[in-house]
Amino acid sequence: DQQVKQNSPSLSVQEGRISILNCDYTNSMFDYFLWYKKYPAEGPTFLISISSIKDKNEDGRFTVFLNKSAKHLSLHIVPSQPGDSAVYFCAASALNNAGNMLTFGGGTRLMVKP
Amino acid sequence: GAVVSQHPSRVICKSGTSVKIECRSLDFQATTMFWYRQFPKQSLMLMATSNEGSKATYEQGVEKDKFLINHASLTLSTLTVTSAHPEDSSFYICSAPITIGQTNSPLHFGNGTRLTVT
Repeated sequence: DQQVKQNSPSLSVQEGRISILNCDYTNSMFDYFLWYKKYPAEGPTFLISISSIKDKNEDGRFTVFLNKSAKHLSLHIVPSQPGDSAVYFCAASALNNAGNMLTFGGGTRLMVKP
Repeated sequence: GAVVSQHPSRVICKSGTSVKIECRSLDFQATTMFWYRQFPKQSLMLMATSNEGSKATYEQGVEKDKFLINHASLTLSTLTVTSAHPEDSSFYICSAPITIGQTNSPLHFGNGTRLTVT
């Protein structure tokens, strides 16, 4: 049972445009959500997070939106840059599960074309 | 710079041998570290939680006798894949919380270890 899903395995965007990566979850106990970026043969790098008490968190070109009622979150990157090309994982945790234990989605490969 | 150092980055071993992977927190103490595994084109799956000074907690389906975890100090956790088989070939990644004492602290990940068992 996949509790965190990223239904788009890949996404291609033109440089300068907006990239929107989506993530759905099923476990209503999740209350903290994170996005990680991963290059091949490297570990994931933390990008941005959001607590369930918020519906939006912004950090530079990255904004994460959370829709609790729909159990959906999205990562917006604007403007997209070729260096953003990587695999993006969303992850979720529940405070009663020691918080740091993350459940990851399957990832979305973003390709930003120059 | 990297705050979690993982070694080796790549290892090839013969079936039946054991492989040890080290995960070190740099410049900070990590009472808890997490070990993940990623198969090709799949997500990262939590294998176990490594606790300094106590036994590791394993996720369902992960054999604790096969994947030995030792968290002997506040900066070092090791994962030993014992009697490795080709199906153990995978990408193993360790991680530690960025902010000590904060339950929902994002994790810093090591760069992973690509294990290939022939």
